[in-house]
Amino acid sequence: QKEVEQNSGPLSVPEGAIASLNCTYSDRGSQSFFWYRQYSGKSPELIMSIYSNGDKEDGRFTAQLNKASQYVSLLIRDSQPSDSATYLCAVKRLFSGGYNKLIFGAGTRLAVHP
Amino acid sequence: DGGITQSPKYLFRKEGQNVTLSCEQNLNHDAMYWYRQDPGQGLRLIYYSQIVNDFQKGDIAEGYSVSREKKESFPLTVTSAQKNPTAFYLCASSGGDNSYNEQFFGPGTRLTVL
Repeated sequence: QKEVEQNSGPLSVPEGAIASLNCTYSDRGSQSFFWYRQYSGKSPELIMSIYSNGDKEDGRFTAQLNKASQYVSLLIRDSQPSDSATYLCAVKRLFSGGYNKLIFGAGTRLAVHP
Repeated sequence: DGGITQSPKYLFRKEGQNVTLSCEQNLNHDAMYWYRQDPGQGLRLIYYSQIVNDFQKGDIAEGYSVSREKKESFPLTVTSAQKNPTAFYLCASSGGDNSYNEQFFGPGTRLTVL
């Protein structure tokens, strides 16, 4: 089982619809959760961070975290063709010695069609 | 203008050559990271450094080396021991409140072995 799992997609949604991207993680000790957007051939761009159970909204984006179910999701309202990209879920883990690092999922490809 | 720069954007290497990828940041971040991304896959951690003159191996450090002599700089050397170096290399940094560890990425270097 991978530490961070995402459906690879593609997830195809019509313009104006809500896109729902999901991510599950295996380590119950994980503390912080991030969503990155990556356009083809470009580097990842941080779009959302969430640390507590519940919802966090930023513009058209809402991140949802459920630590009991080890599940984090990203909702994109009023999807636009410019939202077409790969969305990477990342989970922060602590290691001995005080070090921490992000564990990334393989990403979900989103395609928004006009 | 604050940010992370990587150079070169594209790099071609012959078999048996060592090459060095540059990563510089002017965000005053303490931590810096190197990732590798292969087509259709997530990011895999090569090396990371949380303070100057200290660095740790990530998940796939074999065939790579790093140094961290200055806070702003974290160069990565891909040695001839790396069996399959063709990939997209991403440098990231994080700082401020370390408990959040939001990482921000540079534009990347695409390495191709001829």
